[in-house]
Amino acid sequence: EAQVTQNPRYLITVTGKKLTVTCSQNMNHEYMSWYRQDPGLGLRQIYYSMNVEVTDKGDVPEGYKVSRKEKRNFPLILESPSPNQTSLYFCASSLSIQVGEAFFGQGTRLTVV
Amino acid sequence: GENVGLHLPTLSVQEGDNSIINCAYSNSASDYFIWYKQESGKGPQFIIDIRSNMDKRQGQRVTVLLNKTVKHLSLQIAATQPGDSAVYFCAESRSNDYKLSFGAGTTVTVRA
Repeated sequence: EAQVTQNPRYLITVTGKKLTVTCSQNMNHEYMSWYRQDPGLGLRQIYYSMNVEVTDKGDVPEGYKVSRKEKRNFPLILESPSPNQTSLYFCASSLSIQVGEAFFGQGTRLTVV
Repeated sequence: GENVGLHLPTLSVQEGDNSIINCAYSNSASDYFIWYKQESGKGPQFIIDIRSNMDKRQGQRVTVLLNKTVKHLSLQIAATQPGDSAVYFCAESRSNDYKLSFGAGTTVTVRA
């Protein structure tokens, strides 16, 4: 089954404790991206990757890092989480030529206290 | 982010009626537009897309209209069903930029 898998689904952590949210896709897609969703703001793109070792900033990259060492994986790293990073996070993948036809993961709800 | 917005945050529709969800964008360089549906507790799901060289595109029970003159995008859902209840997002992108910018979303509620 074609899917994008995020882990964990829920996470509560403390300010400053490094964390990684994993994202994996099984569709051999070149394009992967991370979004955060906050009430009234829709989805905002954090980072995206056009292919292995190619990443670029989205609209809200501050406080986040990503890596793309393999085509299927695109982890989101919060080196020093802060309460304003409490949000619902989504990973997505698509073919590069049709980035909008994206498959989204189920989401990771992160709470930073 | 870009100014991609939906005109109304909520829309209540009678089952069987047609729904129209609107979206405005401000960047005239945008040339690729997408509609997504997000059901409660799930990630967004691609519905339909349209490129700026088209004015209209139809899918199964859905039609997207693009008016580049006034920078307006709409999603029409025919014969709305209870399963259409969800939040709908428009998004835009540009050929020379692989970023995707989303609007804030419209919550559609279908009345039985």
